[in-house]
Amino acid sequence: QQPVQSPQAVILREGEDAVINCSSSKALYSVHWYRQKHGEAPVFLMILLKGGEQKGHEKISASFNEKKQQSSLYLTASQLSYSGTYFCGTPDRGSTLGRLYFGRGTQLTVWP
Amino acid sequence: NAGVTQTPKFRILKIGQSMTLQCAQDMNHNYMYWYRQDPGMGLKLIYYSVGAGITDKGEVPNGYNVSRSTTEDFPLRLELAAPSQTSVYFCASSYGTSPTDTQYFGPGTRLTVL
Repeated sequence: QQPVQSPQAVILREGEDAVINCSSSKALYSVHWYRQKHGEAPVFLMILLKGGEQKGHEKISASFNEKKQQSSLYLTASQLSYSGTYFCGTPDRGSTLGRLYFGRGTQLTVWP
Repeated sequence: NAGVTQTPKFRILKIGQSMTLQCAQDMNHNYMYWYRQDPGMGLKLIYYSVGAGITDKGEVPNGYNVSRSTTEDFPLRLELAAPSQTSVYFCASSYGTSPTDTQYFGPGTRLTVL
């Protein structure tokens, strides 16, 4: 049930845009996005809900395509601080226990 | 609030030794989780707990044990450490299990088994 992320890695110059995708073979009803800086813990970015509602606090947008069972994270006008590994997590719909399945991550590097 | 705290931050074990990784949260969360993270593999769930006294296995439980005697604490026990358990271990907690409940992660414990 592990979601698949693409691409595996992205290298950008400051100010450029990037898109990170997260796909699942199972029907999605929410997707959680986290960012992890090197040597640190993952930090919550946002949640995408079925129906398109977003809950988050960063200046990063995302979309949720229920038909494609995919979520995309959009990083526009990238800043140096955006560097890190981005993980998507999808809930186990068959479980009431709140567990998330995480993708393998997308490593984003932003150069000045 | 301190959030989720973990100790120790780093540890080196010899093969066959045992140790306990400590995890505590002060957010009154019912749900707690232990993950391991290996390079390029994402986060794999080891054990989780839905409340004091209730735990269950995740995807990779072999070689580990947990207990949850209080809402705040969720220690992870490694018995007979093996090189395959070299990893970074993260503890996390969440309030509930709705699709919008965020998981909050601790700073991690980097474990090396030699």
